[in-house]
Amino acid sequence: KAGVTQTPRYLIKTRGQQVTLSCSPISGHRSVSWYQQTPGQGLQFLFEYFSETQRNKGNFPGRFSGRQFSNSRSEMNVSTLELGDSALYLCASSPWDRNEQFFGPGTRLTVL
Amino acid sequence: EDQVTQSPEALRLQEGESSSLNCSYTVSGLRGLFWYRQDPGKGPEFLFTLYSAGEEKEKERLKATLTKKESFLHITAPKPEDSATYLCAVQPTGANSKLTFGKGITLSVRP
Repeated sequence: KAGVTQTPRYLIKTRGQQVTLSCSPISGHRSVSWYQQTPGQGLQFLFEYFSETQRNKGNFPGRFSGRQFSNSRSEMNVSTLELGDSALYLCASSPWDRNEQFFGPGTRLTVL
Repeated sequence: EDQVTQSPEALRLQEGESSSLNCSYTVSGLRGLFWYRQDPGKGPEFLFTLYSAGEEKEKERLKATLTKKESFLHITAPKPEDSATYLCAVQPTGANSKLTFGKGITLSVRP
C-alpha cells in the first residue's frame, strides 16, 4: 500500500500571505490528523477529520483551518501567515478500527 | 491535561552499548501509548502501541514496556542506523481523543 503523501514538500511564503497544504491518506483510512512540529514545541495537534467532519481540534488560532473531502483527502489552510508559523506540518492517517497513526513526510513551511 | 515527558533529551551511545529511553506520562485514563521513530527531515515512523500495564512488544533491537506511569524503550546492542529521534505519545480514553506527544529523545549511536 502507498503511504501518506503530502504536497508540496517545501513552501516559502511571506508574512500576511495564506497557504494551503494537501494530504492524501493511506487507501482505506478515513481519519486524517494534522500536526505542527517545531524544535521548541515538538509535535502539536492541530485537528482531526473523520468522514468529512472535524471531530477534534487543538489549541491553535482560527487562522488555521482544514477540511476533508469525500475521498478522505484533506487540506489545511493557514491565513495571514506569521513568522512563527514556520514549521514542519505533518499529516497522519489511521484506519477506523485502530488507533495507530501513520505519518506522511511533512510539508516544510518557511515564512519570511 | 495530558502530559508526556521524555528523558533524557539526548543520548549518545557506542555501537553495542544497550540502554533505555524513558517516557513518563500523566493521563486520566490510558487508551494507548505509542512509540515512533523520526529521522531528520522525515515524518515519524510508527513502532509500537501498548495498551495496558505489563505489556511488552519487540521489534528487532527494540523492546517497549509499559507501567501505569511510564514506558521504556529498550535498545539492545544498538547500531549506527538506530540513530534517530524517538517520540512517545499517549491517547486518553474517551471518544475522539487526541494524541499528546513528548518532545522526543535524540539518539546517536557511534560506530
